[in-house]
Amino acid sequence: QVQLQESGPGLVKPSETLSLTCTVSGDSVRNYVDYWSWIRQPPGRGLEWIGYIFHTGRTKINPSLESRVTISADRSKNQFSLKLNSVTAADTAVYYCARGHGDYVRDNRFDPWGQGTLVIVSS
Amino acid sequence: QSALTQPPSVSGAPGQRVTISCTGTSSNIGAGNAVHWYQQLPGTAPKLVMFDRNSRPSGVPDRFFGSKSGTSASLAITGLQAEDEADYYCQSYDTSLGVWVFGGGTKLTVL
Repeated sequence: QVQLQESGPGLVKPSETLSLTCTVSGDSVRNYVDYWSWIRQPPGRGLEWIGYIFHTGRTKINPSLESRVTISADRSKNQFSLKLNSVTAADTAVYYCARGHGDYVRDNRFDPWGQGTLVIVSS
Repeated sequence: QSALTQPPSVSGAPGQRVTISCTGTSSNIGAGNAVHWYQQLPGTAPKLVMFDRNSRPSGVPDRFFGSKSGTSASLAITGLQAEDEADYYCQSYDTSLGVWVFGGGTKLTVL
């Protein structure tokens, strides 16, 4: 059974960097078919795809966040990470990691998801 | 504003059938990109309940049915049960934006 688990600080100060890690079990971030994504959900609102990393290290980031986001992977620990810099209150959200899978990358569905971690941006 | 439009809420009595719509554009659903559906129970992560128009992951009951036509898609739930009460989100890929997009979510209330 594939499981994902997010970890990281729950409180980040404005203008600082949000850093989260997703630990994968039951699958490998090295596999050739899946895309490892970050998705966020502001309180009481909908879902926003942030970006993914592929086994080659190639990343794709939502253009709306591209200037502030870095996604990386540590294959030895079977983890992938998110860094979002220059955060503001608008970045307060539950952050999820998820596995993306599909016959074509554009047809990726996200399954499974981690349980999510709430990150609050506040001084 | 979400790239995919869903009604904010739908409701139905136990045993009834409800349908949740997801309206997109020619750059996402209308471009032939797959549509997937997620169920989010309060305080939990979204869970995939339908993918590639009408395929159910293991464990999802056959009361859930997906469809797609033109620039829209729908998720139908028959034989409504109390456990179906949740928020439902549709998702597709937007070719123009180059990102995966979600609907704004629909809250299903079982009366």
